[in-house]
Amino acid sequence: SSKLTQDPVVSVALGQTVRITCQGDSLRTYYASWYQQRPGQAPLLVAYGRNKRPSGIPDRLSGSFSGNTASLTIAGAQAEDEADYYCGSRDTSGNHLVFGAGTKLTVL
Amino acid sequence: HVQLQESGPTLVKPSGTLSLTCTVSADSLNTFHWNWVRQAPGKGLEWIGCLYDNAKTNYNPSLQSRVTISRDTSRDSFSLRLTSLTAADTAIYYCAREPRNSSDWELDSWGRGILVTVSS
Repeated sequence: SSKLTQDPVVSVALGQTVRITCQGDSLRTYYASWYQQRPGQAPLLVAYGRNKRPSGIPDRLSGSFSGNTASLTIAGAQAEDEADYYCGSRDTSGNHLVFGAGTKLTVL
Repeated sequence: HVQLQESGPTLVKPSGTLSLTCTVSADSLNTFHWNWVRQAPGKGLEWIGCLYDNAKTNYNPSLQSRVTISRDTSRDSFSLRLTSLTAADTAIYYCAREPRNSSDWELDSWGRGILVTVSS
């Protein structure tokens, strides 16, 4: 299967830590990338590979992997972290890019 | 500062053809891979296809019969052509950059997107 599965909605209290997950068979072979999308904006790459971050992304956002699951952990959640988060990775063939359906993060 | 800018018609008719252009930073077309991604209103991201630095292409199997991605090096741009449109093709279309040395297919820079509506 080439499907990446994400929880539709996740909530976190302000200042607490939250983990957003992405499951899929292809993740046993390939790393995932994570994108943050605020309302009305284009997606923004926030994590990729084995815990890599683009410049300018705070280190309280971090990626990890275990088995067929990729995770994006946000430590000390801020109001600005409220957004949709998408994982992306190669499909099981390795030849195409697929995205998860997205997780809406609410900061309470 | 990386800039990608999508342009093209924002209203197209059913059964027609969508043609979009993404203008990129000068002299970068041959040093990155370039992707198109779309997002239907209120929905998630869908990868459309990729143009590699060597001008080869790779398409989403679900769209392959209707998609063409090509480049215009003289204009520092690449284009998307999608045929046989239906209302289901109504979406925001993004162009996005992938580093040439990427092994994780990360898209590290995105355009603002252009909303294309398929309607008569």
